[in-house]
Amino acid sequence: EVQLVQSGAEVKKPGESLKISCQGSGYTFTRHWIGWVRQMPGKGLEWMGIIYPADSNTRYSPSFLAQVTISVDKSIGTAYLQWSSLKASDTAMYYCAKSRGPGPYSFDYWGQGTLVSVSS
Amino acid sequence: QSVLTQPPSASGTPGHRVTISCSGSSSNIGTNTVNWYQQVPGTAPKLLIYSNNQRPSGVPDRFSGSKSGTSASLAISGLQSEDEAHYYCATWDDSLSGPGVFGGGTKLTVL
Repeated sequence: EVQLVQSGAEVKKPGESLKISCQGSGYTFTRHWIGWVRQMPGKGLEWMGIIYPADSNTRYSPSFLAQVTISVDKSIGTAYLQWSSLKASDTAMYYCAKSRGPGPYSFDYWGQGTLVSVSS
Repeated sequence: QSVLTQPPSASGTPGHRVTISCSGSSSNIGTNTVNWYQQVPGTAPKLLIYSNNQRPSGVPDRFSGSKSGTSASLAISGLQSEDEAHYYCATWDDSLSGPGVFGGGTKLTVL
């Protein structure tokens, strides 16, 4: 069974750093892109970026370039999303998802989401 | 402001048919395939349609997708109460807006 399991909810203060994770199982982790999607409270989905675990090839949406870092540890089948200095506006639900095929064009399995709350 | 434009809301009565539109441009829908996702409040999104009109295993054939030029549509026939959710179109974008983009989402209400 394909599963993407994300790390738990986080409560942080502005300026703090954070790294959340997404562990894939039940499929060949290195052959499918992993994407990250943001959903701010009461808002729609926003495409953040993707990474190809086999070679760590990473693409970012312009809105998120230099704001977050996407990485992967293929030895443990886990992708990461990290911030070096959080802002209140980073408060959102973050989803990871795997690509349906070898290309990054659609996501067929999604994690349960990680809620990040940033407040002083 | 998303590069893909969807109506913010749609509605229909049980058993009837509803369509949701998604309008883009030559750099996204015009040259790439479209996917549709369903999100029931409080849950993760679910892939409903990929490659314009393909249904993943387990998605009822009441759901269908189409694309023409720089626009795409999702049609839901035989509307059921459990179809009440948010629906998002998504595609690849070859311009500086990309690489991937979502529509703003459409809230479907089953009356």
